[in-house]
Amino acid sequence: DTEVTQTPKHLVMGMTNKKSLKCEQHMGHRAMYWYKQKAKKPPELMFVYSYEKLSINESVPSRFSPECPNSSLLNLHLHALQPEDSALYLCASSQPGPAKLFFGSGTQLSVL
Amino acid sequence: SQKIEQNSEALNIQEGKTATLTCNYTNYSPAYLQWYRQDPGRGPVFLLLIRENEKEKRKERLKVTFDTTLKQSLFHITASQPADSATYLCAPTYNYGQNFVFGPGTRLSVLP
Repeated sequence: DTEVTQTPKHLVMGMTNKKSLKCEQHMGHRAMYWYKQKAKKPPELMFVYSYEKLSINESVPSRFSPECPNSSLLNLHLHALQPEDSALYLCASSQPGPAKLFFGSGTQLSVL
Repeated sequence: SQKIEQNSEALNIQEGKTATLTCNYTNYSPAYLQWYRQDPGRGPVFLLLIRENEKEKRKERLKVTFDTTLKQSLFHITASQPADSATYLCAPTYNYGQNFVFGPGTRLSVLP
């Protein structure tokens, strides 16, 4: 199984809502990533978990809260988002480097 | 800070020709460099990885070169096909770390 599964595929939320994005992989990878991608821009790194511990936080606003419950699962909790947070949110996984990233298909998020 | 540039935002070529995409970086050389392909609404897909001590890597119709003197990687697709149309992203990686940062990407269109 070489898949990274993300749910939901699409999400529309208001600025006062709380929602969560989910990501799952069963490749035994010990590093998992969240990226944000705006239209016609490259993916932008948000968070990295290595062996279930947060290892990189690229100065992301606190309205985004990552969680890694176990080595297969990664969540991104969303609260009080702004319309400019609307984007494609991508999850990826890898073995510790040098290693290629496996990406999910993403969650297209719209904040109204 | 490190800057990554890719030769052009968009590149159009005729079917059957060789497409050449460029990735340039400033300052210090990465330990290795990866190339990914991204189709609209999908996550990036890994294509090739080249290490700093390697000059060239090949995979089927794909070839990557890495010139640390020029601070540049070239990505070639020979005998290009319309199905090769996509955005191609380079990702230089430093010290075998996990802060995978992507270049801005080149949107390739192969015209029949």
